[in-house]
Amino acid sequence: DVVLTQTPPTLSATIGQSVSISCRSSQSLLHSNGNTYLNWLLQRPGQPPQLLIYLVSRLESGVPNRFSGSGSGTDFTLKISGVEAEDLGVYYCVQSTHAPYTFGAGTKLELK
Amino acid sequence: QVQLTESGPGLVHPSETLSLTCTVSGFSLTGYSVYWVRQPSGKGLEWMGRMRYNGDTSYNSALKSRLSISRDTSKNQVFLKMNSLQTDDTGTYYCTREGWYWGQGVMVTVSS
Repeated sequence: DVVLTQTPPTLSATIGQSVSISCRSSQSLLHSNGNTYLNWLLQRPGQPPQLLIYLVSRLESGVPNRFSGSGSGTDFTLKISGVEAEDLGVYYCVQSTHAPYTFGAGTKLELK
Repeated sequence: QVQLTESGPGLVHPSETLSLTCTVSGFSLTGYSVYWVRQPSGKGLEWMGRMRYNGDTSYNSALKSRLSISRDTSKNQVFLKMNSLQTDDTGTYYCTREGWYWGQGVMVTVSS
């Protein structure tokens, strides 16, 4: 099974600060169809996760453009350019290239 | 709009079988895959398995021997059955559609 290693496990930020989260895969997430199915989710306290980014860098409808995704192969990054209070919660990367699908362990974004 | 609603017993006794239902609307089960994901309290997300649009299934390697996913397309429902439950199976169980649309989840406690 694919292992996703997310770092850091916890991130402390002030409002307006830019932060990045890394997600490294144990094998390439490039599908034979040419797509890379690496997605980013945010789970706010008491809520189900919500999709932020799909196919590495595509912003889900309604998600603010301060969120951006990048990477290829086995190394991926989520960047938040100017953290806002509503961004607090736990971020997960998840791959849907290889079944069984797998999640990273999560990164908790807190206010400093 | 896309909606998924999980239902099932809140309490299951150790060694018994968990049965959950995911009722969907706003899309067809023959057009989209549906996944089951669980989350132990205070912990991360675990992909359990999927019902593909064509009726095929895939399972988490660690749960494969205990887990079964099926569907009734006429009722727009996907079912999860997992046997030999233990206390560490306690948590919130979500169904989610391809594209990472989530239900609100159902809390399951395994206790005598």
